[in-house]
Amino acid sequence: AQTVTQSQPEMSVQEAETVTLSCTYDTSESDYYLFWYKQPPSRQMILVIRQEAYKQQNATENRFSVNFQKAAKSFSLKISDSQLGDAAMYFCAYRYLIGGATNKLIFGTGTLLAVQP
Amino acid sequence: NAGVTQTPKFQVLKTGQSMTLQCAQDMNHEYMSWYRQDPGMGLRLIHYSVGAGITDQGEVPNGYNVSRSTTEDFPLRLLSAAPSQTSVYFCASSYRNRQFFGPGTRLTVL
Repeated sequence: AQTVTQSQPEMSVQEAETVTLSCTYDTSESDYYLFWYKQPPSRQMILVIRQEAYKQQNATENRFSVNFQKAAKSFSLKISDSQLGDAAMYFCAYRYLIGGATNKLIFGTGTLLAVQP
Repeated sequence: NAGVTQTPKFQVLKTGQSMTLQCAQDMNHEYMSWYRQDPGMGLRLIHYSVGAGITDQGEVPNGYNVSRSTTEDFPLRLLSAAPSQTSVYFCASSYRNRQFFGPGTRLTVL
């Protein structure tokens, strides 16, 4: 079964600095998607970035970028120029396809990011 | 578009009571799903639906029922609430490679 592991329960970063959140996953499939979601105290799940496994180029979205290492099954999130509004819980997620059912997400346990002014 | 809406936002139940968590989306998405979020556990899939009239179990389906009579609505039913069902519940709809989450329902079972 596919699993997603986030080994950092909590992280802290100074405002304007860079922080990297780690995520590893286990799968036997060759084609899949990976996501990072942000969950602020409002509880809303916000998509930060996504990566298609067949693409070698790392995805970027403004200050957010990923380091996708398919062979190592690693998918880390880098936040540059951290802002106070980045403080939130961050979830790594894997999307797999089984028997025609699509869009089922497997989530990691989350990393709580604090941003220090 | 309102996106994905969930009602209620908060609910307190006594053990053994039943209730339905409502979920609706106005984006005409075929795929909808229910997740629960517990501390230290991330989000786990309860049930999902790939279209009206079609539902299937996810990772943690026990104690929950679903039905999908329309594309728009996907209610989650707790027939006999238990304290282990205290959690935050998220409904989501998806299209292609993107999931749209509702705001969540915080349920407490005493």
